[in-house]
Amino acid sequence: QKEVEQDPGPLSVPEGAIVSLNCTYSNSAFQYFMWYRQYSRKGPELLMYTYSSGNKEDGRFTAQVDKSSKYISLFIRDSQPSDSATYLCAMTTNAGGTSYGKLTFGQGTILTVHP
Amino acid sequence: GAGVSQSPSNKVTEKGKDVELRCDPISGHTALYWYRQSLGQGLEFLIYFQGNSAPDKSGLPSDRFSAERTGGSVSTLTIQRTQQEDSAVYLCASSLIRDTEAFFGQGTRLTVV
Repeated sequence: QKEVEQDPGPLSVPEGAIVSLNCTYSNSAFQYFMWYRQYSRKGPELLMYTYSSGNKEDGRFTAQVDKSSKYISLFIRDSQPSDSATYLCAMTTNAGGTSYGKLTFGQGTILTVHP
Repeated sequence: GAGVSQSPSNKVTEKGKDVELRCDPISGHTALYWYRQSLGQGLEFLIYFQGNSAPDKSGLPSDRFSAERTGGSVSTLTIQRTQQEDSAVYLCASSLIRDTEAFFGQGTRLTVV
């Protein structure tokens, strides 16, 4: 079983829809959670970074963390064709040892927003 | 520089040759990561440097792969005796250890022919 599970999709939605992207994880030591967006033939770009359980909002994007359920989500409101990309969740632990700060990624979800 | 810089952006090499990929992290970032991404696949962890600590090499796929980080800054990933299955995009990222947001470079696209 992978430490981080993410549905690879692909996910296709009409412009203006609300998109929900999700990841589950098994390691309770994960404390920091990130969402990245990756356009084709580009490096991943950091979208959201959260530490605690709850919601964090940035424009049309909301990141949600539920540590009790080991579940994180990214919501995109009023989705646009320019949001079409692969979305990757990532997480890291502040536990000691050589893995301190090491990023673990989900497989990525391919999203297409069509006009 | 303003971001993570990787060079070369593209590399075509013959099977059996050695290649070196370079990463210049964001100034002051103590953590540096190498990942590999094959076509249509997720990010495969290769190696992680954290300050002056021993690196986490658990993701290196074989002993043909090695990496070093000189002076806590620039890193070089070396692949010896390249094989066709090594063809992928190699991504480097860096972060401040206490602020764990990691920022990626644009990657090196390696093609082994």
